[in-house]
Amino acid sequence: EVQLLESGGGLVQPGGSLRLSCATSGFTFSGYPMSWVRQAPGKGLEWVSTISSGGDTTYSADSVKGRFTISRDNSKNTLFLQMNSLRADDTAVYYCDRGLATLDFWGQGTLVTVSS
Amino acid sequence: DIVMTQTPLSSPVTLGQPASISCRSSESLGHSDGNTYLSWLQQRPGQPPRLLIYKISNRFSGVPDRFSGSGAGTDFTLKISRVEAEDAGVYYCMQGTQFPRTFGGGTKLEIK
Repeated sequence: EVQLLESGGGLVQPGGSLRLSCATSGFTFSGYPMSWVRQAPGKGLEWVSTISSGGDTTYSADSVKGRFTISRDNSKNTLFLQMNSLRADDTAVYYCDRGLATLDFWGQGTLVTVSS
Repeated sequence: DIVMTQTPLSSPVTLGQPASISCRSSESLGHSDGNTYLSWLQQRPGQPPRLLIYKISNRFSGVPDRFSGSGAGTDFTLKISRVEAEDAGVYYCMQGTQFPRTFGGGTKLEIK
């Protein structure tokens, strides 16, 4: 059974940093691209970032480019999202997802709240 | 960026009746590899999104056959043949043909 479990969310002040993790199991992690998608409270879905299976290629939304970095550790089956210079409009539930063009499995999400 | 427009915003449907949601993209979603990366996702209240349909019309594992997808180019449709209570939630279309990936604004399916 494919499982994706996000962690690392919480309350952070504007300008602060957080590192999200997504522990995976039930599939060959190193064989799949992975993505992050976020959802602001009461709003729709927004794609954040995608990383290739080997970790050598990344793509990011303009809204997070230069502030967020996606990475992965294939030896630990874990995906990461380093978030710096956080702003109030980054407040959202962040979902870890398997896939590149189709996001077939989603985690439960972790809530990031940016507020003073 | 490809803009995904869903209609209607909200759809009240009687149990057992059909439902249909439309999604239109601002550009063709045909990829150079021959595929069209249009997906449909369901988000039940308090739950993460779940993949229903991928590449326009392929039902994902475990998805009931009352869900079907169709379309081509820039116009796509999700149909539910007979709505059940568990189908209540918000439905999103998503394009995976170009970066940035983009989603429709969502359609709330309300069961009467």
